[in-house]
Amino acid sequence: DVKVTQSSRYLVKRTGEKVFLECVQDMDHENMFWYRQDPGLGLRLIYFSYDVKMKEKGDIPEGYSVSREKKERFSLILESASTNQTSMYLCASSATGHGYTFGSGTRLTVV
Amino acid sequence: DAKTTQPTSMDCAEGRAANLPCNHSTISGNEYVYWYRQIHSQGPQYIIHGLKNNETNEMASLIITEDRKSSTLILPHATLRDTAVYYCIVRPPMNSGYSTLTFGKGTMLLVSP
Repeated sequence: DVKVTQSSRYLVKRTGEKVFLECVQDMDHENMFWYRQDPGLGLRLIYFSYDVKMKEKGDIPEGYSVSREKKERFSLILESASTNQTSMYLCASSATGHGYTFGSGTRLTVV
Repeated sequence: DAKTTQPTSMDCAEGRAANLPCNHSTISGNEYVYWYRQIHSQGPQYIIHGLKNNETNEMASLIITEDRKSSTLILPHATLRDTAVYYCIVRPPMNSGYSTLTFGKGTMLLVSP
């Protein structure tokens, strides 16, 4: 089975900190995605990548950046964390033309 | 992406079939219908997808109407572990560009003993 592993299940960071959320997949998928999920707003796409070193903005990229130096790893970066970035962050990967496999999520709290 | 409309919530008795409807009246001819579910505190899980024909796998069946304007996900014998939010998503084929999944609010299915 495809595994998408997110490095932390729960994370608490202070306002202004630089935060790295890491995601690793083990099935050689070309495509990787970062979503955030908030009550009443559902899942919203932040960034995605269809190849190493490639990235595309999703629906809500403001305040975030990403890095994909290796095919299996896709990092989400909060340059200066703010309280409105408190959320559940979900990483997913897919082979082109196929469904997504999601990780278990990282619940980030910014205080 | 085409929009979908799903009921906010549904109830189902354990052991009975759960039939989850989805309207996608603006779907284009080459767009697929995908279903995912999300159990509390977990990431979404792929269930099934289809284009025109009905589909079945070990988890569920997908019935798509002939005009493709609506579909129904069927869980033939619902269990308590099927309690989750179910998302119906319309997605362009990958050869039309880098299509992504846009999640709506979904249907909260509660399976009761």
